[in-house]
Amino acid sequence: QQQVKQSPQSLIVQKGGISIINCAYENTAFDYFPWYQQFPGKGPALLIAIRPDVSEKKEGRFTISFNKSAKQFSLHIMDSQPGDSATYFCAARISGGYQKVTFGTGTKLQVIP
Amino acid sequence: GAVVSQHPSWVICKSGTSVKIECRSLDFQATTMFWYRQFPKQSLMLMATSNEGSKATYEQGVEKDKFLINHASLTLSTLTVTSAHPEDSSFYICSAEPKSYEQYFGPGTRLTVT
Repeated sequence: QQQVKQSPQSLIVQKGGISIINCAYENTAFDYFPWYQQFPGKGPALLIAIRPDVSEKKEGRFTISFNKSAKQFSLHIMDSQPGDSATYFCAARISGGYQKVTFGTGTKLQVIP
Repeated sequence: GAVVSQHPSWVICKSGTSVKIECRSLDFQATTMFWYRQFPKQSLMLMATSNEGSKATYEQGVEKDKFLINHASLTLSTLTVTSAHPEDSSFYICSAEPKSYEQYFGPGTRLTVT
């Protein structure tokens, strides 16, 4: 029940295209859903996050769509750039201090020129 | 934003020796820090939760005597891998949480045990 399932495992997108990564969760106690971007040999960096009281959140080229009834959420990267090539992790946690973050399995995104 | 540092960034040690990894919150105090382990092309797996002034809480399956965690101050937590073996080779990442409840991750430490 603690799992967060993420797909696809890898993704190749042409420059300027839309990258879409999907995640699903089981634990209805989760109420905070961050996305992390990780470059090789680096720690994850928080990209964008959403709470289940909204269905969509947009920050620049990055948009999270959230479907509470389906227990699914997704990351959309608009106008994908080669610099976006990285591994993306969705995650889920219970909000409030010092709670564990449960990570998805990761999606390796490659944006080709 | 909140900054978390780790030292060293990479370390090579011989089998049977111990190695210490430091995690520091540079611009905030962290009563709780988290230690993760990441194998190549895999996700982050939580190893333990480090609490300042008290014992760490280890996840199921993580050997407490092998991975010693000390959270000596509000800005420093250390992970010591004791009697390291090649299978302990991995990428170790810490995170800390300022009051905003956003976890910030360190840059990671690459451990190679020969």
